[in-house]
Amino acid sequence: LAKTTQPISMDSYEGQEVNITCSHNNIATNDYITWYQQFPSQGPRFIIQGYKTKVTNEVASLFIPADRKSSTLSLPRVSLSDTAVYYCLVGERYNDYKLSFGAGTTVTVRA
Amino acid sequence: DSGVTQTPKHLITATGQRVTLRCSPRSGDLSVYWYQQSLDQGLQFLIQYYNGEERAKGNILERFSAQQFPDLHSELNLSSLELGDSALYFCASSVGPLTGYNEKLFFGSGTQLSVL
Repeated sequence: LAKTTQPISMDSYEGQEVNITCSHNNIATNDYITWYQQFPSQGPRFIIQGYKTKVTNEVASLFIPADRKSSTLSLPRVSLSDTAVYYCLVGERYNDYKLSFGAGTTVTVRA
Repeated sequence: DSGVTQTPKHLITATGQRVTLRCSPRSGDLSVYWYQQSLDQGLQFLIQYYNGEERAKGNILERFSAQQFPDLHSELNLSSLELGDSALYFCASSVGPLTGYNEKLFFGSGTQLSVL
């Protein structure tokens, strides 16, 4: 079980880049890193997933260093609508840790 | 729209009662997951079904039970309800049982349960 640690909260302003770092020191060789986003009163939504180096999609980028003991979710030019909770999950087999999402990082974007 | 349908959206009931929450997974998804989210807690995993069979269990109370039917929809039954059961209940689905490398969860919009 690869436990993850991420900041409880982060504040930002519109137009800025937000970087959320997740630590996963015990990540296993076959583990993937997945990030979800949750808006108030809605279910989490898959954002991005990666194994190593860098992954980019239309929503975010995911940076994973060579040792894979951490990962950084980057949200470019955030807007008010990016205010949400962001969860970092690590694991190949979700069943091993009962699909636990942890507390996540609450990102608040201000005008 | 994730493609996962949950009904009802809101449910208000009294202590001691029993309720049933329903979930229809995305077309083609075989796995269904149930989560509970209270105000002060994160998403708590309750139970997972894959193609009709129970696959994994979290800290689900004995008063709670679930099942997945042949048409793959799932129901979560909550009985002898207590005030503390008030929460947002989410259903999620995935193609497989999440033993693959890049499978993802797709969540419904949830059922808000209020126990008075």
